[in-house]
Amino acid sequence: DQQVKQNSPSLSVQEGRISILNCDYTNSMFDYFLWYKKYPAEGPTFLISISSIKDKNEDGRFTVFLNKSAKHLSLHIVPSQPGDSAVYFCAASGEGNMLTFGGGTRLMVKP
Amino acid sequence: EAGVAQSPRYKIIEKRQSVAFWCNPISGHATLYWYQQILGQGPKLLIQFQNNGVVDDSQLPKDRFSAERLKGVDSTLKIQPAKLEDSAVYLCASSRDKRAIGGQFFGPGTRLTVL
Repeated sequence: DQQVKQNSPSLSVQEGRISILNCDYTNSMFDYFLWYKKYPAEGPTFLISISSIKDKNEDGRFTVFLNKSAKHLSLHIVPSQPGDSAVYFCAASGEGNMLTFGGGTRLMVKP
Repeated sequence: EAGVAQSPRYKIIEKRQSVAFWCNPISGHATLYWYQQILGQGPKLLIQFQNNGVVDDSQLPKDRFSAERLKGVDSTLKIQPAKLEDSAVYLCASSRDKRAIGGQFFGPGTRLTVL
């Protein structure tokens, strides 16, 4: 029973264009959502988060959008850079504070 | 600020053997987590400590996995005996508080291969 799903295992984007990574969740008790970035042989690195009281949070080139009614969040990277090539995980937490991760999306930004 | 330290980075064992992983969290971080990440999947929480007490171990296979965090600082995760399906990367993470606002900080992980 996957409560957090990332349906696209990979995404390829041209440098300078927008990257959109998607994430769906099923548990309506989740109220805090995070995105992590992971390079090979390293642990995940926190990127950006959003609380359920907001529908958008922006940090430089990274913006996370939350659609609570659709139980959907997305991460936009504009403009995409080759250094953004990594695996991106979305995660969600609720009252219990546990983080539940999606399966990840591998982003490849081509020069 | 030093990051989360883990050792060893790699471990290869045969099934039914025992193995232990060590984690030293970021100084001052009260909450420590152990995750299992199987290839192609996202990290799955095994156990969460707040200081030296267990907050959540509902997904820890307690018949073979054990973890402790003595003195509320570093932690060890043990598997005894190991099975083939335990092959994974074991990630340790820490945060200032249980709510982990601002995220959890992860170590580089220990890649375990069980033959």
